[in-house]
Amino acid sequence: KAGVTQTPRYLIKTRGQQVTLSCSPISGHRSVSWYQQTPGQGLQFLFEYFSETQRNKGNFPGRFSGRQFSNSRSEMNVSTLELGDSALYLCASSFDRGLISFGPGTRLLVL
Amino acid sequence: TQLLEQSPQFLSIQEGENLTVYCNSSSVFSSLQWYRQEPGEGPVLLVTVVTGGEVKKLKRLTFQFGDARKDSSLHITAAQPGDTGLYLCAGGSNYKLTFGKGTLLTVNP
Repeated sequence: KAGVTQTPRYLIKTRGQQVTLSCSPISGHRSVSWYQQTPGQGLQFLFEYFSETQRNKGNFPGRFSGRQFSNSRSEMNVSTLELGDSALYLCASSFDRGLISFGPGTRLLVL
Repeated sequence: TQLLEQSPQFLSIQEGENLTVYCNSSSVFSSLQWYRQEPGEGPVLLVTVVTGGEVKKLKRLTFQFGDARKDSSLHITAAQPGDTGLYLCAGGSNYKLTFGKGTLLTVNP
């Protein structure tokens, strides 16, 4: 069974731009969640989707948004990028509340 | 706000030594999970503990969940260089995980 895939793996953007990251969950998994990982703050929860509905959201500004499609694939968008948005963005999927599998992440660098 | 504190933050030991990593919470979680993350990869789930007082063993790794379900520990016996990585504890509730900042373990040959 293929694991969680994230694209792109690496991304360089400049301040003020926007970015869209993509996540394909493990086949059959309907829950997708997103996390931001930085050296200073560690892993922080962004949001979680199940069957196209957002069930929980972390404490991030409105510049961070996400969505889930009917095939369970998910995207997250960050608008008006700031230097502090440089991080590893991790996507994780699970059947519902079951075992969670993480993808390899997208490393975003904002210049 | 639920917080998880891990200690120590960094640990460098020689191959064959034993070590314990601690994870303490300010509140109760419905479950607690331990992950290991290697550079350039996402975290990989090692174990989930749910019941207070629970002890789980995974080869040379022993995980304990405190009776009050607010703290946990990970003990590694006879550490090997392959155990090197970032160890993360995470508490689960309300469809999200709250992570500690991790313990970066280096096992020197």
